[in-house]
Amino acid sequence: NAGVMQNPRHLVRRRGQEARLRCSPMKGHSHVYWYRQLPEEGLKFMVYLQKENIIDESGMPKERFSAEFPKEGPSILRIQQVVRGDSAAYFCASSPRPIETGVGEQFFGPGTRLTVL
Amino acid sequence: ILNVEQSPQSLHVQEGDSTNFTCSFPSSNFYALHWYRWETAKSPEALFVMTLNGDEKKKGRISATLNTKEGYSYLYIKGSQPEDSATYLCASGGATNKLIFGTGTLLAVQP
Repeated sequence: NAGVMQNPRHLVRRRGQEARLRCSPMKGHSHVYWYRQLPEEGLKFMVYLQKENIIDESGMPKERFSAEFPKEGPSILRIQQVVRGDSAAYFCASSPRPIETGVGEQFFGPGTRLTVL
Repeated sequence: ILNVEQSPQSLHVQEGDSTNFTCSFPSSNFYALHWYRWETAKSPEALFVMTLNGDEKKKGRISATLNTKEGYSYLYIKGSQPEDSATYLCASGGATNKLIFGTGTLLAVQP
């Protein structure tokens, strides 16, 4: 049973380019979460998605960032017109449908390290 | 307390020592407290999820306690081993299931 998969593991972009980060949740998991770790900081929540729905995007920057989790295929975190400050490690986690609020275990992927030149 | 805070930031111990770390979190609107273990170059791995005041969980040499009234949790490691070296993260489970993480405690166990 494969764990959460993220690709690419490392991504280098020049300022102004687009970055697309992919996350394939564990089999049977329909809930995906994206977190970001900026240099010298902890993991910060970005967005929570179910299939075809954004449930909570309170941690997403207002501009240039978007996320989707289509009916088929992986979840995508998209960053348009990247800037140097977007350089970070982006982690995806997945869970089955939570039975109780805030309790469900989240399984993390290995992360994508984005470097903006 | 408005954020999830962890102390100490880092800890160096000798093999065989027992150690503990602290996680402080907002006690209002509490849902759950999660502990994760994060080894370098790997994914964070869940250790415990606790919900009730007074909860105690144990996995091998690692155990955790929870006080929801005062907003803190302790993680204990008995007889530390070099393979215990990792960053230990705590997180408060939020209303929409998002996790609010502390910055972690980096543990280094010297053989």
